[in-house]
Amino acid sequence: GQNIDQPTEMTATEGAIVQINCTYQTSGFNGLFWYQQHAGEAPTFLSYNVLDGLEEKGRFSSFLSRSKGYSYLLLKELQMKDSASYLCAGMDSNYQLIWGAGTKLIIKP
Amino acid sequence: ETGVTQTPRHLVMGMTNKKSLKCEQHLGHNAMYWYKQSAKKPLELMFVYNFKEQTENNSVPSRFSPECPNSSHLFLHLHTLQPEDSALYLCASSQDEVGQRPTDTQYFGPGTRLTVL
Repeated sequence: GQNIDQPTEMTATEGAIVQINCTYQTSGFNGLFWYQQHAGEAPTFLSYNVLDGLEEKGRFSSFLSRSKGYSYLLLKELQMKDSASYLCAGMDSNYQLIWGAGTKLIIKP
Repeated sequence: ETGVTQTPRHLVMGMTNKKSLKCEQHLGHNAMYWYKQSAKKPLELMFVYNFKEQTENNSVPSRFSPECPNSSHLFLHLHTLQPEDSALYLCASSQDEVGQRPTDTQYFGPGTRLTVL
């Protein structure tokens, strides 16, 4: 079956770095998405990876290893506003998105 | 981002009521989606419309009935719902249906928080 695994909750300190991991099992693979969702708000697109390696966008970076079925989202210089849920989604060979349950990130001062 | 709007934001209904959720996108996209989001569960894709035609129905119970009169509007008609249908219902849109352009990002609305009593 198809599955996306990510931790349910993580806690980090303001100003620090946190890495949110995601492992995926999909029938075929057409890329991996990361979305951010603040409580009570819409999920917003953060990144898309289809090739191995690290892609950096300001304080946020996303990494993909296709051979390991693994991705991570790296958040640097954490700010209180980064407290949110982070959703990982893999795209299978039919271009269907398979979603994880999300990782709730709590930032403490 | 206010490209995708949803009304109402909150809805409480009894099991015998009939109500409708509305979604409108102002992005000129051709594909629209309904998702169900329950606490601590993955997003569940319910319906997909591409150029007003339904292209996906993920075994959703008939008590949920979608309608897409044009590329900018999407409705979800609800009737005789069950308490387990209480969830956040998210609408999303993309330029084309995800699949024709693999990097096509979906843009989400803020959702309707539905409570069925």
